Amino acid sequence: DTGVSQDPRHKITKRGQNVTFRCDPISEHNRLYWYRQTLGQGPEFLTYFQNEAQLEKSRLLSDRFSAERPKGSFSTLEIQRTEQGDSAMYLCASSLNQGSNIQYFGAGTRLSVL
Amino acid sequence: DQQVKQNSPSLSVQEGRISILNCDYTNSMFDYFLWYKKYPAEGPTFLISISSIKDKNEDGRFTVFLNKSAKHLSLHIVPSQPGDSAVYFCAAPRGGSNYKLTFGKGTLLTVNP
Repeated sequence: DTGVSQDPRHKITKRGQNVTFRCDPISEHNRLYWYRQTLGQGPEFLTYFQNEAQLEKSRLLSDRFSAERPKGSFSTLEIQRTEQGDSAMYLCASSLNQGSNIQYFGAGTRLSVL
Repeated sequence: DQQVKQNSPSLSVQEGRISILNCDYTNSMFDYFLWYKKYPAEGPTFLISISSIKDKNEDGRFTVFLNKSAKHLSLHIVPSQPGDSAVYFCAAPRGGSNYKLTFGKGTLLTVNP
């Protein structure tokens, strides 16, 4: 059973550039989540998919951010025109659509915007 | 607003002793709580959970206690081991929904040999 995988693990970019991250959830999980974690804070919810439908977006997700899950499997998170304040760990999680609220996290993509 | 609070940024204990990690919440709609453990350069790993219909849940060395009237929960690790050294997060599905988790800021536990 492979866990949630994220790619890349690290990304360094210059301010103003676009970046895209990928998340592959656990295969039978139909729910997929993106969170962001900054230093000294817990993960903060960004957005959530059930299958291919994006059901909720946090206020943290400005219009420079877009997430997709085109076939209900992997997901991508794109940040356009990156800013230094976007520097953070971006975490992906997945779960089954059952009563359990247990979400399984990937190792994250650490973004550094110079 | 911080609906899940972990007021102790760090905790240091000796190997073999009990570790007690605390978490307070403000949203009375929370009815399920989870503890995650995070090692450096890894994602959070689910540890143990508790439903609001219970006041205790135990899994091996880990026990979570819930005091609904005080809006407080705690994670007990006994005996503590050096491999338990990690950041521990308390989390709850937000506002009664069963998907987005609200996390506390975490507590760094260091277990000294």
